[in-house]
Amino acid sequence: DGGITQSPKYLFRKEGQNVTLSCEQNLNHDAMYWYRQDPGQGLRLIYYSQIVNDFQKGDIAEGYSVSREKKESFPLTVTSAQKIPTAFYLCASCIRLALGDTQYFGPGTRLTVL
Amino acid sequence: ILNVEQSPQSLHVQEGDSTNFTCSFPSSNFYALHWYRWETAKSPEALFVMTLNGDEKKKGRISATLNTKEGYSYLYIKGSQPEDSATYLCAPGEGSGGGADGLTFGKGTHLIIQP
Repeated sequence: DGGITQSPKYLFRKEGQNVTLSCEQNLNHDAMYWYRQDPGQGLRLIYYSQIVNDFQKGDIAEGYSVSREKKESFPLTVTSAQKIPTAFYLCASCIRLALGDTQYFGPGTRLTVL
Repeated sequence: ILNVEQSPQSLHVQEGDSTNFTCSFPSSNFYALHWYRWETAKSPEALFVMTLNGDEKKKGRISATLNTKEGYSYLYIKGSQPEDSATYLCAPGEGSGGGADGLTFGKGTHLIIQP
């Protein structure tokens, strides 16, 4: 079955600790995205990637880093330098980087800051 | 970042009743509007993508309309069923069609269908 997987489902982070959220897709999609949902807020774009070895900052990129070494994978690292709140993270992919194309979402990772 | 408003924030509807809710967005530089359904403990699921003023899309008992000149979209559910309980997200995109500007998601309308 084609789809997007995210792991882990739950993640705990102490301030000052780097943690990495995994996102894998087997849909052969070129574009991939990371979103964050804070309580009572809409999804906000953290980073996106149009193609392997290329990625762009979204609206709330500070405190995060990404890589796109393989088409199927787009891991997100929460770095130690910033105060990142407890939030829900969604990864998505799209056949190409285009506003008129559907984005397909993974099941999400809940990151809790201790 | 677009200012996207969805109303109401939450809605309780009796099973069998029909309902609708609204997504408002700035009409300038509009390119596309997406609707997603997000059930608890599941991934958001795409419902519709609309690009043209006056577009109407339908999927079973759910339909949507788009007015790009005044900047709004309506989502309608006919004969609500318990499985329709979910948060409905709208996401307009602005720009020339490329993804550089991205989608901006509203906070969603949380729909609860009461048996």
